[in-house]
This record gives sequence, C-alpha cells and structure tokens, in this order.
Amino acid sequence: AQTVTQSQPEMSVQEAETVTLSCTYDTSESDYYLFWYKQPPSRQMILVIRQEAYKQQNATENRFSVNFQKAAKSFSLKISDSQLGDAAMYFCAFLSGAGSYQLTFGKGTKLSVIP
Amino acid sequence: DTGVSQDPRHKITKRGQNVTFRCDPISEHNRLYWYRQTLGQGPEFLTYFQNEAQLEKSRLLSDRFSAERPKGSFSTLEIQRTEQGDSAMYLCASSPWVSGATYEQYFGPGTRLTVT
Repeated sequence: AQTVTQSQPEMSVQEAETVTLSCTYDTSESDYYLFWYKQPPSRQMILVIRQEAYKQQNATENRFSVNFQKAAKSFSLKISDSQLGDAAMYFCAFLSGAGSYQLTFGKGTKLSVIP
Repeated sequence: DTGVSQDPRHKITKRGQNVTFRCDPISEHNRLYWYRQTLGQGPEFLTYFQNEAQLEKSRLLSDRFSAERPKGSFSTLEIQRTEQGDSAMYLCASSPWVSGATYEQYFGPGTRLTVT
C-alpha cells in the first residue's frame, strides 16, 4: 500500500514571496502519478499540478512548480510570488499507474498568506 | 460544463437516521468516485463507478453504506442508521477514462454531514 506524508501541518508566507511545501511518499511501483490539490476554505478541491513518474522534467504551471526527486520519493511544491488567493489547504496525492482509480492523499498543509 | 455538483451541501441528522447524498459528475466523465474527509485529514477513498458498474469498495464502506449510479449518470450515497463517527465531508469526484490512460479527478464541493 502506498503512503503519502506531508510533514508540515501549517506554513505561512509573506505576500509576493516564495514558499515550498513538502511531500514524501512510499511505493514499490515504478509507474505512478503525483498531484498537488488545493482546497480553499469552504470551497471545492482543485488540481494545481500533476507529475508523471516517468518524466524527468519537473512540472510547472504558471507560479506553481514541483521538485520531483524519484529516488528520494520526494515531491515538493513551490509557489512563487504568493498571492492572498493562494491561502488554502494543500494536499499531495498519489495515483498508481494507468487504469488506477484510488487517489491516496497526505494529511495536508494549511498555507496562510500574510499581506 | 458546470463541474461536479453535490447536493445537499450540508446535512445535519440525528443518530440512527438514514441520509442520502447526490453527486452529478461532469457530463462526459464515465468514472465517478466517492471519498470521505474527516477533520484534519486528507480524503479517503470509499468507492468508485465506471459507468453504472461499482467496481471497488473500500473497507471503510461498512454495510450501512450503499452507493448507486443508475444509468451511469448521477450517483447517490446512502448511509443507514447513522452514527456520530459518520460525521465528515463526503466528496464526489469524476474523471474520464480510456484504457491505458490516466486522468486527474475533478472534485465537487462536498456534502458536510453532522450526526448529532
């Protein structure tokens, strides 16, 4: 069974600064996918970024980028130029290879953005 | 495409009562998933459908829980004889599915259940 660990229950960042959220995972599989989801207060969870394990290049989406270290089983999220709207719970999630259905989530990191 | 919708958004019920939640997925998505999220935790998988077939159920889904997806469209999740431990956010998600491909799941806003 896979496990996902987010070791930072809470983080804060000054507006316009950069913050990195950590995620580690444990799996014996070689084909898998990793995701970061954002859950704003009382709003639905939305996908921030996704990474395929077979890709060496780190995924980027505008101000969001990941540092994927496959050997270390680490998948951190970097948010650049933080904005007030980035304040939310962030969940790291794991999905086994093609055809899989069950996302395994970490416990989440609550990010606060200080104006 | 209006996204995944869930109804109701909030439900308060007394212990022992039955409750039913509804999820309407994104229209072209043939997979539908249910997750449960308790306070301070990430979502946990409950069950999923491919079209109208329920293909997997987690051990978290006791025999008091039942889910259906008639005609492969909307889905319902029913909890019978609710217990206080059932209090949680129930999330629905959907995704397309084609053999050999992997797609991200799109989540609805959830139904927050409080059992008193």
